[in-house]
Amino acid sequence: SQQGEEDPQALSIQEGENATMNCSYKTSINNLQWYRQNSGRGFVHLILIRSNEREKHSGRLRVTLDTSKKSSSLLITASRAADTASYFCATDGGSNYKLTFGKGTLLTVNP
Amino acid sequence: NAGVTQTPKFQVLKTGQSMTLQCAQDMNHNSMYWYRQDPGMGLRLIYYSASEGTTDKGEVPNGYNVSRLNKREFSLRLESAAPSQTSVYFCASSERDRSRNQPQHFGDGTRLSIL
Repeated sequence: SQQGEEDPQALSIQEGENATMNCSYKTSINNLQWYRQNSGRGFVHLILIRSNEREKHSGRLRVTLDTSKKSSSLLITASRAADTASYFCATDGGSNYKLTFGKGTLLTVNP
Repeated sequence: NAGVTQTPKFQVLKTGQSMTLQCAQDMNHNSMYWYRQDPGMGLRLIYYSASEGTTDKGEVPNGYNVSRLNKREFSLRLESAAPSQTSVYFCASSERDRSRNQPQHFGDGTRLSIL
């Protein structure tokens, strides 16, 4: 069963606006990762945040992690049409390096 | 640098036929994974291989078998295809270290339709 659940399921914004996606999970984790998928193609790793970290930045991406609430958020600032994709959170909480993926948020950035 | 390569990209099978999906990575990663993606379901783990010589079941292993042929290659076999196995299949690989904080690298997927 899915560990992470993204919210919202779909998000539509205008170019230049910020986009925020949330992820909730159920059990303790070692780390939480965010991935992007363009149009049903392969998944691209965006950012990894460890369980002992609270915030991480990578370019226009900002990820926060609140282990007490078992939740994470992904913020994309100054969005572009090229950011249109599905975004998935994935948690690593068990052994053998398995990741458990959520169902994703479909982000549409309108030019 | 190819990364993770999956073949074929598309395949149509009839119910009951068998086939093998191939996956190879050139990043010298220890761990490899097979997932399936269905509409609205995200990714579900079918099988994984934490290191060469080992394989383990994931969330949805029924109807599939895997072979970790060597460190580079990890194949997924459908012995008797069923319509419920129509899906997009993704292979991934990752490094394995004590911190366990390593991303997974994905292939472009195999779109499989079973009639």
